[in-house]
Amino acid sequence: DAKTTQPTSMDCAEGRAANLPCNHSTISGNEYVYWYRQIHSQGPQYIIHGLKNNETNEMASLIITEDRKSSTLILPHATLRDTAVYYCIVRVVDNAGNMLTFGGGTRLMVKP
Amino acid sequence: DTEVTQTPKHLVMGMTNKKSLKCEQHMGHRAMYWYKQKAKKPPELMFVYSYEKLSINESVPSRFSPECPNSSLLNLHLHALQPEDSALYLCASSQGQGANTEAFFGQGTRLTVV
Repeated sequence: DAKTTQPTSMDCAEGRAANLPCNHSTISGNEYVYWYRQIHSQGPQYIIHGLKNNETNEMASLIITEDRKSSTLILPHATLRDTAVYYCIVRVVDNAGNMLTFGGGTRLMVKP
Repeated sequence: DTEVTQTPKHLVMGMTNKKSLKCEQHMGHRAMYWYKQKAKKPPELMFVYSYEKLSINESVPSRFSPECPNSSLLNLHLHALQPEDSALYLCASSQGQGANTEAFFGQGTRLTVV
């Protein structure tokens, strides 16, 4: 899987939009961008994924740049419960199989 | 139902014990995974099963032995572990081989080796 780079930590005020960036400059044409989050001591939770178009669901929006070398996860109205580690993952299926490789992630702290 | 169930939630075992971790999903997913997560670190892939066959082993020591008895179940057999194997063990599943399919994770088993 292509390597991703994320800020180690970010703060966001409650009720404001949280914009989490991810750099994946070595991404290939068949690699998807996935976002997961992990709230303390729980299993990772799927948020959203995309290939090249912007995506939106009930949790978040994913904005992928036209050259696909970076993306931004947007939580439109952050709440205290959104405090978690957010992982940006670039995923491909190769001959060996199908896997998700986690990078360091961004620790998002939502503050009152 | 998008649930992956792991049992037990907590496990304490001695270095000479044999124990098993269990994972179950009823979403019809054909790919299942084991991850290991140390404190304040990201999850690390251990094994991938695809259609009940082991497809990826990330150079995991033989004291960890995975088993996939059927398409809904995944076990991780533990034997002669070391204290440094203490970690959160996560199971996940996804539908088939495609990269366009999200994986769902269980809540993990927190293992302590004494």
